[in-house]
Amino acid sequence: EAGVAQSPRYKIIEKRQSVAFWCNPISGHATLYWYQQILGQGPKLLIQFQNNGVVDDSQLPKDRFSAERLKGVDSTLKIQPAKLEDSAVYLCASSLEVLRTEIKNTEAFFGQGTRLTVV
Amino acid sequence: RKEVEQDPGPFNVPEGATVAFNCTYSNSASQSFFWYRQDCRKEPKLLMSVYSSGNEDGRFTAQLNRASQYISLLIRDSKLSDSATYLCVVILDTGRRALTFGSGTRLQVQP
Repeated sequence: EAGVAQSPRYKIIEKRQSVAFWCNPISGHATLYWYQQILGQGPKLLIQFQNNGVVDDSQLPKDRFSAERLKGVDSTLKIQPAKLEDSAVYLCASSLEVLRTEIKNTEAFFGQGTRLTVV
Repeated sequence: RKEVEQDPGPFNVPEGATVAFNCTYSNSASQSFFWYRQDCRKEPKLLMSVYSSGNEDGRFTAQLNRASQYISLLIRDSKLSDSATYLCVVILDTGRRALTFGSGTRLQVQP
């Protein structure tokens, strides 16, 4: 079974530039997450989608970050403009389904991540 | 206060040792608990779920204490290949269903 695919693997940009990351979740997985992992810290949720709807984007810095999930499958995360503190690994994950009233099939499978360096 | 707190370590132990990691969570209504493992420069992967009754998978034992809001992971007979960061993960019952991660505890098993 193919895993979660992410691209690019690495990206170096200058501050104030824009960048976009792409994620293709495991086929059939309704839930998709974007996490930001700064060196030495645990992953921090940026946004969670259920199919193509947003479930939680409370920790997404909406002045510069945006995300969409096209047709409930692939997703893109964009940063515009980037700041030095955005340097991190951006991890995409997917899981079968997480219902509001029931925790079900919650194992999240992660992609290899995109390592972003802002200089 | 962080939602999920872990001792960052590092824990340096010899091969064959038994090592235990602890984790506390702030939301008493939290429903589901997990340990994930993350190797250096790799993505996190599920190690095991944590059940109220405690559960064991080979050399790994996970315990949950809801009254103290405390989760533990015990690794017996440590192997060199156990060297990694162990992430405590909680699903908070606040309407959000996403995995909330602790900062991780780094384990280095030495020969």
